[in-house]
Amino acid sequence: KAGVTQTPRYLIKTRGQQVTLSCSPISGHRSVSWYQQTPGQGLQFLFEYFSETQRNKGNFPGRFSGRQFSNSRSEMNVSTLELGDSALYLCASSGTGAGSYNEQFFGPGTRLTVL
Amino acid sequence: GQSLEQPSEVTAVEGAIVQINCTYQTSGFYGLSWYQQHDGGAPTFLSYNGLDGLEETGRFSSFLSRSDSYGYLLLQELQMKDSASYFCAVRLNTGGFKTIFGAGTRLFVKA
Repeated sequence: KAGVTQTPRYLIKTRGQQVTLSCSPISGHRSVSWYQQTPGQGLQFLFEYFSETQRNKGNFPGRFSGRQFSNSRSEMNVSTLELGDSALYLCASSGTGAGSYNEQFFGPGTRLTVL
Repeated sequence: GQSLEQPSEVTAVEGAIVQINCTYQTSGFYGLSWYQQHDGGAPTFLSYNGLDGLEETGRFSSFLSRSDSYGYLLLQELQMKDSASYFCAVRLNTGGFKTIFGAGTRLFVKA
């Protein structure tokens, strides 16, 4: 079974631009969560999607948004990029069966650098 | 607010046993997970405790006490490849699931 894939793996943008990151979960997984990882703040929860619905959101400004498609693939968008948005963005998927829902499988991440 | 506390760094020798503690203050607590992350890699799932007690998976065990808001990860027969960061993470059910990660414990395994 293929793992979680994220594209692109690396991205360089300038302040003020916007960016869209993509995540394809493991086949059959309907839950997708996004995290931001930085050396200073660690792993921070951005949002969780299940069956195309955002079910939970972390404490991030409205510039951070996301969506999930009917095939469970997910995208997140960051508008008006700031230097502080430079981070590793990780996507994780989990299954829907009892127990499996609590095991998250992470993708390799997208390394975003904002100049 | 939600908070998790775990040691920032632990050093141990190959073959030894090490315990990484995690205390948490959260609302909507559902369970406690542990993840391992090597430098440059993505976090990988190690274990999940939804109920009090010990869960064992090979050389790794994890414990949870809900009444004490406390858990730990126990690594036995340490190997050099176990050098990595270990994160405790609380799974919250607040109308939808979210996972809050601790700051991570950097484990150094020495020969």
